[in-house]
Amino acid sequence: AQSVTQPDIHITVSEGASLELRCNYSYGATPYLFWYVQSPGQGLQLLLKYFSGDTLVQGIKGFEAEFKRSQSSFNLRKPSVHWSDAAEYFCAVVYGGATNKLIFGTGTLLAVQP
Amino acid sequence: NAGVTQTPKFRVLKTGQSMTLLCAQDMNHEYMYWYRQDPGMGLRLIHYSVGEGTTAKGEVPDGYNVSRLKKQNFLLGLESAAPSQTSVYFCASSYGTSQYFGPGTRLTVT
Repeated sequence: AQSVTQPDIHITVSEGASLELRCNYSYGATPYLFWYVQSPGQGLQLLLKYFSGDTLVQGIKGFEAEFKRSQSSFNLRKPSVHWSDAAEYFCAVVYGGATNKLIFGTGTLLAVQP
Repeated sequence: NAGVTQTPKFRVLKTGQSMTLLCAQDMNHEYMYWYRQDPGMGLRLIHYSVGEGTTAKGEVPDGYNVSRLKKQNFLLGLESAAPSQTSVYFCASSYGTSQYFGPGTRLTVT
């Protein structure tokens, strides 16, 4: 069965430090992969997505993610974190063919120290 | 262009009461989805619709019903609320594979 694993429940980084959030997926075919961000009390906003082609994808707010098929991973990165990046981050994979249903990971809560 | 909107934003129900959550989108999207979000569990798909007049079950459909009478609206109903349905409910819509989410409805069942 398809699944998405985010092994880090909570991460704390200092402002200006680099960030990497881990995501591993289990999916038989070539996956469509997404990262969403949820600020407190808000809905989810799409950061970036991977469908095919270049395995390094750029998103909004200075985020990027790299698809590594050999590791079944799609890790999210940012070279320098800002205090406004404090939020919860969700990795997701499309399953279900034409219905575009998403399976979400359990999320990683990012705290940013001044 | 309001995107995806949800009504109400907050609601408290007593066990056994019923209610309907409304999701509306103005992007002319075919697909719409209802999720619930619980701490430590991410988002789980309750029901979805691939077009006006169609609905289908997702991962956790029990205790919920849905209707898609108009393309822009997707209603989620709880016929007899239970404390286990205390959650934050999100609606989403999509045209392709990217889903756009509403701001959520926080529901508490006592």
